[in-house]
Amino acid sequence: GEDVEQSLFLSVREGDSSVINCTYTDSSSTYLYWYKQEPGAGLQLLTYIFSNMDMKQDQRLTVLLNKKDKHLSLRIADTQTGDSAIYFCAETGRGTYKYIFGTGTRLKVLA
Amino acid sequence: DTAVSQTPKYLVTQMGNDKSIKCEQNLGHDTMYWYKQDSKKFLKIMFSYNNKELIINETVPNRFSPKSPDKAHLNLHINSLELGDSAVYFCASSRGVNEQFFGPGTRLTVL
Repeated sequence: GEDVEQSLFLSVREGDSSVINCTYTDSSSTYLYWYKQEPGAGLQLLTYIFSNMDMKQDQRLTVLLNKKDKHLSLRIADTQTGDSAIYFCAETGRGTYKYIFGTGTRLKVLA
Repeated sequence: DTAVSQTPKYLVTQMGNDKSIKCEQNLGHDTMYWYKQDSKKFLKIMFSYNNKELIINETVPNRFSPKSPDKAHLNLHINSLELGDSAVYFCASSRGVNEQFFGPGTRLTVL
């Protein structure tokens, strides 16, 4: 079945860039998403990318997609303490409602 | 103004009891979902309804029964609660297969 993997932890210093990585197995993935979950809260959609794109930039966020390697990354520029959270990638295929979520990466930003 | 709301936020109950969690969305979406997030933060889809019709039904014990009285509501009833049911349950909604918006979660603790 489909699988989405992420490293579990990432620690960076305030002001540095963070790069959160995600690999997936479903070659028919059409949409890939990044969600942020703060402690005790629900998931907040940050950004998404279509599978026919290589890159998408949205203010401090840059998403890179390597479809050949089935690798997705989220770069957060000038990381702030408020960025500390769990980040989930998710993929879905064309015309399907089912999201497959990654294992989540816990980002800790050190002051 | 909350887009996707869930009640209750916390639910503590004894093993063997029956309980319900309610979800409402005011986004005008036609599709709603229930997810379970375990203690390791793994997030898995349980059910999905599109226009009140069940479209996703993952391998979930039949003690769990979703009910969608209308497009804006999706409730989850759980019979004979077990210790392993302890988790955070998230409701989400979408317009068709577009991006999903999540509720704040219901933390269920079974004693």
